[in-house]
Formats: sequence, structure tokens, C-alpha cells
Amino acid sequence: SAVISQKPSRDICQRGTSLTIQCQVDSQVTMMFWYRQQPGQSLTLIATANQGSEATYESGFVIDKFPISRPNLTFSTLTVSNMSPEDSSIYLCSVADRDYGYTFGSGTRLTVV
Amino acid sequence: QQPVQSPQAVILREGEDAVINCSSSKALYSVHWYRQKHGEAPVFLMILLKGGEQKGHDKISASFNEKKQQSSLYLTASQLSYSGTYFCGTEGGSNYKLTFGKGTLLTVNP
Repeated sequence: SAVISQKPSRDICQRGTSLTIQCQVDSQVTMMFWYRQQPGQSLTLIATANQGSEATYESGFVIDKFPISRPNLTFSTLTVSNMSPEDSSIYLCSVADRDYGYTFGSGTRLTVV
Repeated sequence: QQPVQSPQAVILREGEDAVINCSSSKALYSVHWYRQKHGEAPVFLMILLKGGEQKGHDKISASFNEKKQQSSLYLTASQLSYSGTYFCGTEGGSNYKLTFGKGTLLTVNP
């Protein structure tokens, strides 16, 4: 299965600023996904990042707030823009494989103050 | 729509068995099961595909009733390492997009 390196692992940010989260995969993958997980809660899909096309966002998430880049088949970034305390959460990237299910990055724990 | 998991929490003694259920109100292409330990990322356990194919952990078993859109995860002879939150994720079509349930917190005590 793929190995994902995600960074930063955690950050504390001021409201109104932006944070970019990076995910590097050790193999080429077609689809990457970005999830949000509130502490103690379930995982919610933010968007699907496909190389060569714009990301597809789920209901409740918009590109202006969560711009995503996917410059090649091994890398993606998620930016959380104009942050507010409500954006405090764990953000995870993942890749999918029919044999190995989803592999998740280690997550970015974001606190907005 | 978010699948419904039950129970919300279960406490076992080492060696006991447990069943975690996941049900959906819509037709499913696949059901996934993951275990997440505190402070860590979810880890893949099983995928059950429409048509009966299953892939995953050798020591974990699960079932998928396509007609009822229900899946169950069977944990037998539980070990301390089984403790964690178990999530089912459902895929409505062959698009790899998963919707996760709220999770089942499993605690295994010595």
C-alpha cells in the first residue's frame, strides 16, 4: 500500500490567516482525498483532488475556503483560508486502492486562536 | 447519507468477542472498515465489495448483506491491541468516495 507523508503535523494559527497542508505519496495515484475530522468525531470528505483537473468539492465546502492543488500524481496541498476558530480540526489526506482500501496521512491538527 | 453504526461503544475483556454493525439507507457498492487509535490516522481493516469479494486483514472477518445494505465486523478472541474506534465507510458507486459512520469505541480490558 502507499505511504503518505503529511505536514505539518500540527499548527496553531491566528484567525484570518491561511495554512497550507502538504501530502506527498510514495507512488503515483490518480485520486487523492481530503478529509476533516473534529476530535472524537467521524471523518467528513472535503474534496477529491484529481491530477490535471479542478478538485471536486462536497456539499458545504467551497474552493475559496479550501483551495486544493494537485500538480502531479504524487503530491497535493490543501489550504485552509481566512481561518476562524470553527476551522480547528484534524485534516487528513488519503489515497484509495481497491486492494488496500484508503491509506491516510498522519493528519494535521489545526488550532485557530 | 451517513451510515449508522451500532453499538456506539462496547467494553470487552481480553478474549471476548464483539460484533459491530453498519447500515445504510441507500444502495452500496462497497463497505470499508477502519480502526483508529487515539491520536493516529485510521487504518484499513477490510473492504467488502458488491458481488461478494472481500479483501483485508487475515484476522478480521466481516459480512456484507447487499439486499439489506448492512455490514457487520466480527472481532473474535479480542486482544488489548483491538482497542480503538472502528469506523465503517460506505461507497455508493464505484468512485472511491467514502461516507463514514460516527464510529464505535471499542475498549478491551485485561
